[in-house]
Amino acid sequence: DTAVSQTPKYLVTQMGNDKSIKCEQNLGHDTMYWYKQDSKKFLKIMFSYNNKELIINETVPNRFSPKSPDKAHLNLHINSLELGDSAVYFCASSQDSSGGWLEQYFGPGTRLTVT
Amino acid sequence: GQNIDQPTEMTATEGAIVQINCTYQTSGFNGLFWYQQHAGEAPTFLSYNVLDGLEEKGRFSSFLSRSKGYSYLLLKELQMKDSASYLCAVRDGGGNKLTFGTGTQLKVEL
Repeated sequence: DTAVSQTPKYLVTQMGNDKSIKCEQNLGHDTMYWYKQDSKKFLKIMFSYNNKELIINETVPNRFSPKSPDKAHLNLHINSLELGDSAVYFCASSQDSSGGWLEQYFGPGTRLTVT
Repeated sequence: GQNIDQPTEMTATEGAIVQINCTYQTSGFNGLFWYQQHAGEAPTFLSYNVLDGLEEKGRFSSFLSRSKGYSYLLLKELQMKDSASYLCAVRDGGGNKLTFGTGTQLKVEL
């Protein structure tokens, strides 16, 4: 059974295009996240939603727009793609955002290549 | 802000013990996580420390000293499958925002 799933796994597109990445979790968790991992393997938080409400919004270009239709889904839409957006994007989820021993479960990642 | 430092690479021999260090500076420490990431895969949770001391889980142990801003991950009886990147992550404040270090790439050799 897949806990956190992402589609697509690979995405190759040209500069200037708009694309979306979808994420779903079947763990019953309240909080979901988007991370970006660059070519140097540095993993950085982008956004977090708790029960469909945005709670973390790091310094990310406004070309990136997360959307959470329900607490099991968190999608990431990227407008006007740039070369620097090429990275692996990971979705993650955790029980909630209030602290405590809250392990985050990661999806398999989406490798985005912008040409 | 936060600053998290880990060695970039380490090499160890199968069957040996290796210690991966992590130092951090943070304004509101609320726990430290270790994750393992194999090439091309997702990070997976290894351990969590919020109080000083050693947490042991099978071949893996993690230590924390909050006063020194220091943690280490200890891997015993190394196996080839332990070759991976090990990520130290610090939680700051009451939420669940994690700030990751750049990771330590461990290579286990025969």
